[in-house]
Amino acid sequence: AQSVTQLDSHVSVSEGTPVLLRCNYSSSYSPSLFWYVQHPNKGLQLLLKYTSAATLVKGINGFEAEFKKSETSFHLTKPSAHMSDAAEYFCVVSLSGGYNKLIFGAGTRLAVHP
Amino acid sequence: EAGVAQSPRYKIIEKRQSVAFWCNPISGHATLYWYQQILGQGPKLLIQFQNNGVVDDSQLPKDRFSAERLKGVDSTLKIQPAKLEDSAVYLCASTEQETQYFGPGTRLLVL
Repeated sequence: AQSVTQLDSHVSVSEGTPVLLRCNYSSSYSPSLFWYVQHPNKGLQLLLKYTSAATLVKGINGFEAEFKKSETSFHLTKPSAHMSDAAEYFCVVSLSGGYNKLIFGAGTRLAVHP
Repeated sequence: EAGVAQSPRYKIIEKRQSVAFWCNPISGHATLYWYQQILGQGPKLLIQFQNNGVVDDSQLPKDRFSAERLKGVDSTLKIQPAKLEDSAVYLCASTEQETQYFGPGTRLLVL
């Protein structure tokens, strides 16, 4: 069965320092993986997605993630945090079978301090 | 391009009352989803439509929740009667090329 584990429920960084949000997945198939961001009182926005092409995926707002099959990981990184990055981040795996069913992780709340 | 539209944005009701949420997906998107997001958790799929047919409703509490997408475009999710534990954000999404696009959600508070 497919599942997603986000290893940190809260991450706090200083503005200008790197961001690392960790995600491990479990999948019987070659998965499609996503990162979504949710700002307070706003809808979920797609940051980036991996669909079996390049293992290093670049997304919006300077975020990127690397698919590592050997480690079953899909960690999200950003070289320099900005105050506007403060939000909830969700790692998501898509089930195979053509129905595009998404399984969400529990989320990581990112706080950015001045 | 217009995004996924949802209404209302907020709703407060008392337990045992009924409530309905509306969603209009992005034009041309055949697949539509309803999710429930309880505070502090990730969204959980309630029901998935392909055009006007149900693909997956295995997580929908059918004794109180119902959903329809009669003409294969917009959709309505209903709760009747509501319970306290139904307090959550209800998200609608539609799909293009394996990417789901989400609406702003309806925040429901059941008192």
